[in-house]
Amino acid sequence: GPKVLQIPSHQIIDMGQMVTLNCDPVSNHLYFYWYKQILGQQMEFLVNFYNGKVMEKSKLFKDQFSVERPDGSYFTLKIQPTALEDSAVYFCASSLEASSDYTFGSGTRLLVI
Amino acid sequence: GDQVEQSPSALSLHEGTGSALRCNFTTTMRAVQWFQQNSRGSLINLFYLASGTKENGRLKSTFNSKESYSTLHIRDAQLEDSGTYFCAAEAPGYQNFYFGKGTSLTVIP
Repeated sequence: GPKVLQIPSHQIIDMGQMVTLNCDPVSNHLYFYWYKQILGQQMEFLVNFYNGKVMEKSKLFKDQFSVERPDGSYFTLKIQPTALEDSAVYFCASSLEASSDYTFGSGTRLLVI
Repeated sequence: GDQVEQSPSALSLHEGTGSALRCNFTTTMRAVQWFQQNSRGSLINLFYLASGTKENGRLKSTFNSKESYSTLHIRDAQLEDSGTYFCAAEAPGYQNFYFGKGTSLTVIP
């Protein structure tokens, strides 16, 4: 079926540096999401994005986080600067409508050292 | 507190047997989605339900929004069914899914 691609699959970065996580959503999907999963724990919603704007964000979406999708290219999550507690797996998802099933990517495993 | 309470947290099944996983919701939800997270960490979409029951092979899921629960039944379990199963639910007025803490399923030969 249709897939969400996430690049890179793994990233190791020094604390304080900037990192950009890339997501290529399903081609006709209009809603995009980022979730965070710390090892062995539940998935936590970060943010959703539609029509070029953030629609909702959670308390986990700190000021150091930003999202964008310039000109219909990758949907990105940028963390600047990174902190040790940002180490987690970040999942991107997309959906066709606001109330329809999500397709998730395979995640980017981020390690901040 | 958690809006999605998932049980059991862990489950072992012998091959060929079956069981049910359950999610209770502390508030009215308008849709639920079930996922399997495999050993590589990938999330596989199993079902999306706004109501009623869906079946796919050895899996069947029900969502009862009035009574605020959803179930996932697995029958004739196979080794490849091992993994963590998550339910996620969407509340009216929100555009994101809240996840449960998952059920870690181990299928034993």
